[in-house]
Amino acid sequence: AQKVTQAQTEISVVEKEDVTLDCVYETRDTTYYLFWYKQPPSGELVFLIRRNSFDEQNEISGRYSWNFQKSTSSFNFTITASQVVDSAVYFCALKVNNAGNMLTFGGGTRLMVKP
Amino acid sequence: AAGVIQSPRHLIKEKRETATLKCYPIPRHDTVYWYQQGPGQDPQFLISFYEKMQSDKGSIPDRFSAQQFSDYHSELNMSSLELGDSALYFCASSRDVGAYEQYFGPGTRLTVT
Repeated sequence: AQKVTQAQTEISVVEKEDVTLDCVYETRDTTYYLFWYKQPPSGELVFLIRRNSFDEQNEISGRYSWNFQKSTSSFNFTITASQVVDSAVYFCALKVNNAGNMLTFGGGTRLMVKP
Repeated sequence: AAGVIQSPRHLIKEKRETATLKCYPIPRHDTVYWYQQGPGQDPQFLISFYEKMQSDKGSIPDRFSAQQFSDYHSELNMSSLELGDSALYFCASSRDVGAYEQYFGPGTRLTVT
């Protein structure tokens, strides 16, 4: 069975601070995909990034960066110079190649960025 | 760019009533997924369809049924509604069943009173 754990249920930072959201996953499959989604207060789920299990290269997109480490089964998400608009719930999710095509989500981390 | 459309956006029903939620995937996407997100919870997978056939089934109650039509839109039918069915219901679509990204609609907020 697959499992995604986001140990931080809530994080509060002041604008311009850097913040890292942790994600730890469990799967026995060797081929899988990891995702991050953002859920702002309006409720929709916004796709941020996908990572394949065979590609451990880290990625940077503007103020966002992701650190994928298979050795620790982690896929952490860092926001640099946070802004109030980053306030949202962030979900890490896992899709396993041999277990259907559904996403297994972590419990989410609520990020509050204060001005 | 066109996104996933869900209707209605909000729905209020009473216990034991029925509800039908609709989902219109992104054009040329042939796979549809349904998720249920309870208050303060993460989304839970219910069911998915690929080319109008059920492809995967998750924790969908027997009171719920779904289908995908020839134009690829999907409907989630919910009967004998219970208070615990109150949730945000998301539909997501992808280009094919093996594709990676699932793009989510805005969700339908169902309230059962």
